[in-house]
Amino acid sequence: SQQGEEDPQALSIQEGENATMNCSYKTSINNLQWYRQNSGRGLVHLILIRSNEREKHSGRLRVTLDTSKKSSSLLITASRAADTASYFCATDPNSGGYQKVTFGTGTKLQVIP
Amino acid sequence: DTEVTQTPKHLVMGMTNKKSLKCEQHMGHRAMYWYKQKAKKPPELMFVYSYEKLSINESVPSRFSPECPNSSLLNLHLHALQPEDSALYLCASSQESWTGDVRGYTFGSGTRLTVV
Repeated sequence: SQQGEEDPQALSIQEGENATMNCSYKTSINNLQWYRQNSGRGLVHLILIRSNEREKHSGRLRVTLDTSKKSSSLLITASRAADTASYFCATDPNSGGYQKVTFGTGTKLQVIP
Repeated sequence: DTEVTQTPKHLVMGMTNKKSLKCEQHMGHRAMYWYKQKAKKPPELMFVYSYEKLSINESVPSRFSPECPNSSLLNLHLHALQPEDSALYLCASSQESWTGDVRGYTFGSGTRLTVV
């Protein structure tokens, strides 16, 4: 079952602009991850934020987490054409035991050179 | 070696065929996963193996049969599939299955399966 929903479904920006994607989820989580997927290929892990963290940075990526609103955002600064891909949030529900990560609906980002 | 290798990359099979998808990693990861992804949809979890034991089966039809021969290999045996099973099948691995490793999952490039 799908845990997260992402917004917007698609986003088109010019190179150099910032891109913001949002993820909302339904149940308590241990952590939330963001992945990138280039067309028809495997997913690449970008960043993981734990439920007790509010913000995390990695290079041009900034992730925020608001557990009270059950939402997260991914900001890509100074976007490049190579950032064109689909971006998925993935949540690890706080149900104990084995990790059962489920993916959100995804945002398709197009960066125009 | 920081990769997950999946073979074959593409597979076309008839509904009466038996085939297998293979996944291999040499990162010492103890958890391995199969996901199914339909076009323009997110990946959906099928199976989780932890320490070579099946720990999660997401109510997957029995025409899909996973196997973990050792800690580096994961197979998905396919038999009597339907055209609606056509999808991208992704294998992933992680250090452990319950610690929320900050490195997340490492995914293979997938096998594009077409059932005719």
